[in-house]
Amino acid sequence: DGGITQSPKYLFRKEGQNVTLSCEQNLNHDAMYWYRQDPGQGLRLIYYSQIVNDFQKGDIAEGYSVSREKKESFPLTVTSAQKNPTAFYLCASKPLAGATGELFFGEGSRLTVL
Amino acid sequence: GENVEQHPSTLSVQEGDSAVIKCTYSDSASNYFPWYKQELGKGPQLIIDIRSNVGEKKDQRIAVTLNKTAKHFSLHITETQPEDSAVYFCAAMTRGSTLGRLYFGRGTQLTVWP
Repeated sequence: DGGITQSPKYLFRKEGQNVTLSCEQNLNHDAMYWYRQDPGQGLRLIYYSQIVNDFQKGDIAEGYSVSREKKESFPLTVTSAQKNPTAFYLCASKPLAGATGELFFGEGSRLTVL
Repeated sequence: GENVEQHPSTLSVQEGDSAVIKCTYSDSASNYFPWYKQELGKGPQLIIDIRSNVGEKKDQRIAVTLNKTAKHFSLHITETQPEDSAVYFCAAMTRGSTLGRLYFGRGTQLTVWP
């Protein structure tokens, strides 16, 4: 079945450690997005990528990094510079960046910093 | 950029009653307005969307209305059922946006009591 796979579903990290969240899609979509979700804050955009080898910062990119070396993969690294990394992280994709239509989401990764 | 406000943040209704969630947007150039439903521990899923050339759209028990003059749009759920309990997000996308990003409201936690 086509879709977006995020892993791991749950992740615990000690302060000062970097962690990478995986996002893989087999929908052949060009555009991919990372959102952070906190209670009562909605979905805030971290990074997005319109096409392979290209990505732009969203509204809350500080302390995060991404890469887009393959069309189907858009991993997110939460670095030790991120002040408050505990959150629910959602990856999403759609066929073309500028098109309207459904944004497909993965099931999310919950990161807890101990 | 676009600013989307969503109200109420929580909504409780009795099974069989109707539920209404309202959103306003700031950018008159926005022309695409989707609604997403997020069940606990899952990623959001598109339930209905509307484009600016349409004033209302229905899909079974769900309807969305759009008032471009007032820059607001609403989600209406009739004959609510316990399985409608979830967080609902409205969003807006600006016409001509090459980046295709959606601006999300903060979400409404809907609880339907049996």
